[in-house]
Amino acid sequence: GQQVMQIPQYQHVQEGEDFTTYCNSSTTLSNIQWYKQRPGGHPVFLIQLVKSGEVKKQKRLTFQFGEAKKNSSLHITATQTTDVGTYFCAGRNQGAQKLVFGQGTRLTINP
Amino acid sequence: SQTIHQWPATLVQPVGSPLSLECTVEGTSNPNLYWYRQAAGRGLQLLFYSVGIGQISSEVPQNLSASRPQDRQFILSSKKLLLSDSGFYLCAWSVRQTRNEKLFFGSGTQLSVL
Repeated sequence: GQQVMQIPQYQHVQEGEDFTTYCNSSTTLSNIQWYKQRPGGHPVFLIQLVKSGEVKKQKRLTFQFGEAKKNSSLHITATQTTDVGTYFCAGRNQGAQKLVFGQGTRLTINP
Repeated sequence: SQTIHQWPATLVQPVGSPLSLECTVEGTSNPNLYWYRQAAGRGLQLLFYSVGIGQISSEVPQNLSASRPQDRQFILSSKKLLLSDSGFYLCAWSVRQTRNEKLFFGSGTQLSVL
């Protein structure tokens, strides 16, 4: 079945450093979504990428969707303590109902 | 605006006891509804999803079941809880349109089975 792998599982950085999490699917995706879950909270939708090679930015966050639509990345420039949390990617196969989540990358920051 | 309510926020249950978690959505009609489970420090596992009243798809065979008695109500149940049922349960909804539906999650229920 469809699998979505996300690395790294954990990442600890100094405040101000950059952070990147990577997402790889075993199958070609129709779209990929990214969610953020703050400690003790619930996942909140960040963004969706649909087109091959698409790049979207939200302030210090940059999201990319691979040319083959099988991988994606989230890059945070100059992390701040408010960026702490777990970041999940989630992909959906062409024509499929189910959204498959990666295992998430937990980001902690040393102020 | 749309809101999703999930309760209770925390629950401690003995092994072998029954379970009922409820989720309701307001401000939208015909939503897709989902139950996810998150083990401590891990990812989201889809348990059930529903595209309409009485229509339930099960993703993981186990001692849990789901029901959708009304359009905007989704219930997760168990007749006898196991230790392995402990976790963070999340209800979610999405607008039923194309393939590009994003999920809106409830605040979750932390279940501890002792």
